[in-house]
Amino acid sequence: AQRVTQPEKLLSVFKGAPVELKCNYSYSGSPELFWYVQYSRQRLQLLLRHISRESIKGFTADLNKGETSFHLKKPFAQEEDSAMYYCALRKDDKIIFGKGTRLHILP
Amino acid sequence: NAGVMQNPRHLVRRRGQEARLRCSPMKGHSHVYWYRQLPEEGLKFMVYLQKENIIDESGMPKERFSAEFPKEGPSILRIQQVVRGDSAAYFCASSYREPDTGELFFGEGSRLTVL
Repeated sequence: AQRVTQPEKLLSVFKGAPVELKCNYSYSGSPELFWYVQYSRQRLQLLLRHISRESIKGFTADLNKGETSFHLKKPFAQEEDSAMYYCALRKDDKIIFGKGTRLHILP
Repeated sequence: NAGVMQNPRHLVRRRGQEARLRCSPMKGHSHVYWYRQLPEEGLKFMVYLQKENIIDESGMPKERFSAEFPKEGPSILRIQQVVRGDSAAYFCASSYREPDTGELFFGEGSRLTVL
C-alpha cells in the first residue's frame, strides 16, 4: 500500500543550526513527492515538489529512490521556519499526506 | 481571488444529528478534494470530485458520509447521524485540474465537534 511516513512528530532546532525533516515513502511506481507547510494561523500550502528540483525559502529535498526517502533540509534554520510540515505523495488522482512534523526553532 | 472558502468554520452537533460542511473552490477550479484530520493524525484523503461527478471516494466511510459538487454552488460534505468519532477537522482543497503538479489549494478547515 502507498504510504508516507514522517517519524518525528516534533523537531526542535536552534536558530542557525541545520534542519532535516525526515520523510519515507512506500510506492510501487515512479513516485511524485511534495512538501507542504502550514504556518501558524495560515492555510496549508505547497512548499516544494521534487520534480522541480527547486529551493524554496532555503529548503531543498532530494528524492532518494534507493532509500525511499524525501527528506527536507535547510542549512541554517530561521525563526520564521517554525511551522507544521507535511510530506506528501501523489497516487493517481489524489495526494496522500504523512502525519506531519512540527518544527520548532529555538532562539 | 478569495481562495478556497469553507463554512462553517466551527460546527457543534449532538450525536445522531446531521452535519453539512460546505466548500467553495478557488475561482476557475473545477476539482475539489476533502480530507479529514483527526487529533494527532495527518490528513486523510476522503473524496475527490469534479463538477457533478465523484471521481474517487476510496477514503469515504461506507455509511453515513456523502459528498457532492453540483454544477452550481459549493461542494458539500454531509455526515448523517453523527457520532463522537466524527469529531475532527475537515479540510477542502481545490485545483484547476488534476493534481499533476501536486499543488492543491486548501481552505482553513471546518472543525466538527460532536457532543
